[in-house]
Amino acid sequence: QITLKESGPTLVKPTQTLTLTCTFSGFSLSTSGLGVAWIRQPPGKALEWLAVIYWDDDWRYSPSLKSRVTITKDTSKNQVVLTITDMDPVDTATYYCAHEDYGAPSFDYWGQGTLVTVSS
Amino acid sequence: DIQMTQSPSSLFASVGDRVTITCRASESINSYLKTYLNWYQQKPGKAPKLLIYATSNLQSGVPSRFSGGGSGTDFTLTISSLQPEDFATYYCQQSYTTPRTFGQGTKLEIK
Repeated sequence: QITLKESGPTLVKPTQTLTLTCTFSGFSLSTSGLGVAWIRQPPGKALEWLAVIYWDDDWRYSPSLKSRVTITKDTSKNQVVLTITDMDPVDTATYYCAHEDYGAPSFDYWGQGTLVTVSS
Repeated sequence: DIQMTQSPSSLFASVGDRVTITCRASESINSYLKTYLNWYQQKPGKAPKLLIYATSNLQSGVPSRFSGGGSGTDFTLTISSLQPEDFATYYCQQSYTTPRTFGQGTKLEIK
């Protein structure tokens, strides 16, 4: 079955770079039509899509974070890595990775999420 | 970006009630007979769960009391007879284009 799990620091200081890793199983990101996205949710607020990377190395970013975010994949390790530079307290959120099938695009499998707090 | 607007933002209902949540997109999200609108349920401290994809298709394992409809820019999620486990927050999301965007959520609470 498909599982995803986020890992990374729980606390970062303002201006630092955040690096989160999504480790997944049950599918391969070399399979045509598949992608892994990152979505975040500030405490008590709505979901915000951040980025996606697809099987063919195509990627898309949220315009609001485009200058600060990078998404990469390591197919051999079944991992997707998200980096966000210049972190600010408003970036405090639970960060989720999720599986997307481009053929019927929706987020059908999610990781459990990881809470990242930005504070000095 | 396509803006997704849900109404109401919160809703009080009782077990057994029929409830409908509305989602409006800022532009059409139809393409080639498909409509790229999904619904998720989220409970406190948990990841969202996909309920309905492509407007009206029930995700595997989701009870049939959940249904979705609509086209173009206006969509609905209906729960035919509320059960205790349905009290949660619901989000719509468009997958017509990137950036993918979510509605602001509808919190369904017990009356």
